[in-house]
Amino acid sequence: QITLQESGPTLVKPTQTLTLTCTFSGLSLNTGGTAVVWVRQPPGKALEFVALIYWDDDKRYSPSLESRLTIARDTSGNQVVLTMNNMDPMDTATYYCAHMLSTDTTGYFDLWGRGTLVTVSS
Amino acid sequence: DIMMAQSPLSLSVTPGESASISCRSSETLLKNSRYNYLDWYVQKPGQSPQVLIYLASTRASGVPDRFSGSGSGTDFTLKISRVEAEDVGVYYCMQVRQTPFTFGQGTKLEIK
Repeated sequence: QITLQESGPTLVKPTQTLTLTCTFSGLSLNTGGTAVVWVRQPPGKALEFVALIYWDDDKRYSPSLESRLTIARDTSGNQVVLTMNNMDPMDTATYYCAHMLSTDTTGYFDLWGRGTLVTVSS
Repeated sequence: DIMMAQSPLSLSVTPGESASISCRSSETLLKNSRYNYLDWYVQKPGQSPQVLIYLASTRASGVPDRFSGSGSGTDFTLKISRVEAEDVGVYYCMQVRQTPFTFGQGTKLEIK
């Protein structure tokens, strides 16, 4: 069974650093043409791309968040970690990780985690 | 960034009727003169998004054939034929032509 699951704190204070982990099983980020992506959704609002890491370790970030973000894969190959520093109440959102198929002939998020709600408040 | 605009932002449909959602991009999503890098997702109440259509018109595995996607370049449409109660949710288009990937605002589908 293929699964992705997000984990991390549910509450962070303003200016703190958020660390989220996406743990997946049944698939590998070592497979060509794949990526793991983070998407967030503020309460009642639309989806927003945050960051992505490809199988070859190429990384991409939302330009509006890039200075605050780091995405990395762990050596085991089944986790991707997202860190976001200087958290602000505007960053309150449900954060999803998703698996992406990305080749010259396709590109979509085929599997999503259940999401984790992160609230930024003092 | 490529901007995505959906319309309408909400629609209410009688079961059995059809529904159409439009998605327009600020730049062409056609790549290599062959593929349009446009996906459609639905987020049902309380759930994570799930893919319906990729490459503008290819149904994802397990998606009923009531769902169809069309369009090319900058103008795309998702059509739902014979709407059912289970189709309730928010529908998003998303471009994967280039990063940062960008989503439309979402279209909320309700059943009359």
